[in-house]
Amino acid sequence: GQNIDQPTEMTATEGAIVQINCTYQTSGFNGLFWYQQHAGEAPTFLSYNVLDGLEEKGRFSSFLSRSKGYSYLLLKELQMKDSASYLCAGGFSGNTPLVFGKGTRLSVIA
Amino acid sequence: AAGVIQSPRHLIKEKRETATLKCYPIPRHDTVYWYQQGPGQDPQFLISFYEKMQSDKGSIPDRFSAQQFSDYHSELNMSSLELGDSALYFCASSFRTSGTKGFPSTDTQYFGPGTRLTVL
Repeated sequence: GQNIDQPTEMTATEGAIVQINCTYQTSGFNGLFWYQQHAGEAPTFLSYNVLDGLEEKGRFSSFLSRSKGYSYLLLKELQMKDSASYLCAGGFSGNTPLVFGKGTRLSVIA
Repeated sequence: AAGVIQSPRHLIKEKRETATLKCYPIPRHDTVYWYQQGPGQDPQFLISFYEKMQSDKGSIPDRFSAQQFSDYHSELNMSSLELGDSALYFCASSFRTSGTKGFPSTDTQYFGPGTRLTVL
């Protein structure tokens, strides 16, 4: 299988930085997506990493290590509205469907 | 920018009834995916279409069928509904590319707002 593993829940303080990790099996791997999903709403695309390294988009950054089968999503200057589930999803072997992790529920507290 | 459109947004059905969910992809997108998401679960892939042909099949029950039409919109038909079919149903669309940065392509999927189906 192509298991995608990420922590179930995390809590962080408003204004702080949080890192959400994701590991995956490297066989047939193409690239790694991160989506944000608020309860009852659609997943919203955040980032797509193909090459090793860090890609930054404002307060959000995503990192990938292809050799280690590892990615993380870094959220800076946390805001209350960042409280959501963050889904790590892997693309494998061409345009087959994404394989989603179970999601990490992030709670931002004052 | 135009997004994926799904209708209806909410649907309530009785057991054993049928339901049809519709998805209108982002203009010029050629691939449509259907997902089912139960409470607290990650999205489960059901089926996808590329250029009006079924491209991949996931955990779609035999009671469900789907198709993509000439205008690229897609419909998910659900029959003999069961209580366990109550969930959020998302449609996502993408545009197939040949690859990026030297690697095979996995195209970015953009999700619609979903249809919340409740089976009573």
